[in-house]
Amino acid sequence: QVQLVQSGAEVKKPGASVKVSCKTSGYNFNDYGISWVRQAPGQGLEWMGWISVYYGNTKYAERFQDRLTVTIDTSTSTAYMELGSLRADDTAIYFCARTGRGQPSFYWGQGTPVTVSS
Amino acid sequence: EIVLTQSPGTLSLSPGERATLSCRASSSVTTSYFAWYQQKVGQAPRLLIYGASSRATGIPDRFRGRGSGTDFTLTISRLEPEDSAVYFCQQYGSSPTFGQGTKVEIK
Repeated sequence: QVQLVQSGAEVKKPGASVKVSCKTSGYNFNDYGISWVRQAPGQGLEWMGWISVYYGNTKYAERFQDRLTVTIDTSTSTAYMELGSLRADDTAIYFCARTGRGQPSFYWGQGTPVTVSS
Repeated sequence: EIVLTQSPGTLSLSPGERATLSCRASSSVTTSYFAWYQQKVGQAPRLLIYGASSRATGIPDRFRGRGSGTDFTLTISRLEPEDSAVYFCQQYGSSPTFGQGTKVEIK
């Protein structure tokens, strides 16, 4: 079955970077992209960006353009999300999701809590 | 950026009743690129509806999505206790966005 398993919780200081992994299984990694979505405590969902596994191209939400990097490792079927210049308001749960081009997200990872605190 | 505004913020209904959730877009959304998700406490979102009206695999027919352009609706008929959750709409065009969510409480 399709599974997306994310790395564990992170605690970072303001100004640092965080890198979250999303290991996939149960499907052909090349056939779909990966989206990243975050959810601040008690808040709604915020789309951050997407990568096409097949082509390797990315699209980021404008507000994250200068500090978000989404990458993939096809040898391990794993996607990565790196967010830099962290601030307290980046404290959130970060989700990866299998997302084809022009498709909704049918499968999601379990989420990775990231806490930014001095 | 297309802004999605959901209403009401919270719905409190009894089992067996019908819930009607609304999502209004700031500009027209391609119908094919509209979805609804359910999120229970402590869980990842779960896709319910895509293409505005198609149910995802395993979603009971009590869940019905409708709409086009800027106005979309999710109807949950015959509410069950397990339907207690927050429901988010999403447009997944070139720059995806989510609504802020509607919380459904079962009395």
